[in-house]
Amino acid sequence: QVQLQESGPGLVKPSQTLSLTCTVSGGSISSGGYYWSWIRQHPGKGLEWIGYIYYSGSTYYNPSLKSRVTISVDTSKNQFSLKLSSVTAADTAVYYCARHLPGFDPWGQGTLVTVSS
Amino acid sequence: EIVMTQSPATLSVSPGERATLSCRASQSVSSNLAWYQQKPGQAPRLLIYGASTRATGIPARFSGSGSGTEFTLTISSLQSEDFAVYYCQQYNNWPPELTFGGGTKVEIK
Repeated sequence: QVQLQESGPGLVKPSQTLSLTCTVSGGSISSGGYYWSWIRQHPGKGLEWIGYIYYSGSTYYNPSLKSRVTISVDTSKNQFSLKLSSVTAADTAVYYCARHLPGFDPWGQGTLVTVSS
Repeated sequence: EIVMTQSPATLSVSPGERATLSCRASQSVSSNLAWYQQKPGQAPRLLIYGASTRATGIPARFSGSGSGTEFTLTISSLQSEDFAVYYCQQYNNWPPELTFGGGTKVEIK
């Protein structure tokens, strides 16, 4: 079955750009009908949708993050990526990638990104 | 933005009892609602989509109901593995925005 795995630095300095990659296995990211998504969870808090991308490259972002977010896809590597610019401590969170069916399923295991100097 | 409000924030239930969780949308989302379960240190797991359709492998003791602005997740007989945090999420008129509720923690009474 389809599995997702996040990768990227666990520590990012303030004002820099957070970059994460989600590798999809067990299925093609080019399969139509799915939206490949990023979601984050601040420590001890709820879930916040960041945005998603269709395999064609169409993107949709949370308006509250839109000015700082870029999501891209590399179908040749079966990966999609997140870039979040000008990070602050408020961006410290566990970042998940997930496929939207509708309903997010499956999810990656999540990766903790800490913003600190 | 559609705001999703879950209640109660915490629900104390004894094993074997029924648990009823509520989710309210600030405007109609039709049946475009999903429910998730999250245990500590784990990613959320999809339980229900389309307001009432169980995801693959989800036990029948989980059921969802509602449409429009009022939704309910019912766990008919709580098992030890069901103590967790539950989130609702709307996806009305997607793909534009998606929003999650703030969560309900189901704890052992």
